[in-house]
Amino acid sequence: DAGITQSPRYKITETGRQVTLMCHQTWSHSYMFWYRQDLGHGLRLIYYSAAADITDKGEVPDGYVVSRSKTENFPLTLESATRSQTSVYFCASSDRQGPYGYTFGSGTRLTVV
Amino acid sequence: EDQVTQSPEALRLQEGESSSLNCSYTVSGLRGLFWYRQDPGKGPEFLFTLYSAGEEKEKERLKATLTKKESFLHITAPKPEDSATYLCAVQAGSNYQLIWGAGTKLIIKP
Repeated sequence: DAGITQSPRYKITETGRQVTLMCHQTWSHSYMFWYRQDLGHGLRLIYYSAAADITDKGEVPDGYVVSRSKTENFPLTLESATRSQTSVYFCASSDRQGPYGYTFGSGTRLTVV
Repeated sequence: EDQVTQSPEALRLQEGESSSLNCSYTVSGLRGLFWYRQDPGKGPEFLFTLYSAGEEKEKERLKATLTKKESFLHITAPKPEDSATYLCAVQAGSNYQLIWGAGTKLIIKP
């Protein structure tokens, strides 16, 4: 199916564990983004990528790692999860730089206990 | 500091009762202002992009307008299915990143 998919939808992990959230898009969009959404903070950018092998930090990158070896995939890894990383994570993609709409995935709800 | 503020935080309306949501911004060099709709448990869904003051866009019961300081999302004769959180975001200057508001939760009662 065409679109942008995130997995898993829900994840519970323990403090200190490494966890990877997956994001896959089928449009070959150049730009991909990872956001976290928390009550009272709105959407905050974690990392973004302009193309395969090109990534850059967003507003809140600490504790996260990304990679983009293929255009369609943009995994987000929490190297050592902390309770403050409990959040809903959204992946998004866009086919052009500039003020154009992004397409978001359905999100991953991550709970760190 | 670039900032986007949405008001009200929540709005309850009766079906058919028109109203407006506000998105005020303080940025240098606006390149675009975005409106998104977000349903519970889902990602934001793109609605509109506005590029310059005076621009308006419409989609069904929604109409977005833009001035130099704020944008309004007007909802005419809303239906219960219009219930959602509406998010506003701006892109400004040379910064590629979007600056997001916290959203307005809209509830339409039948």
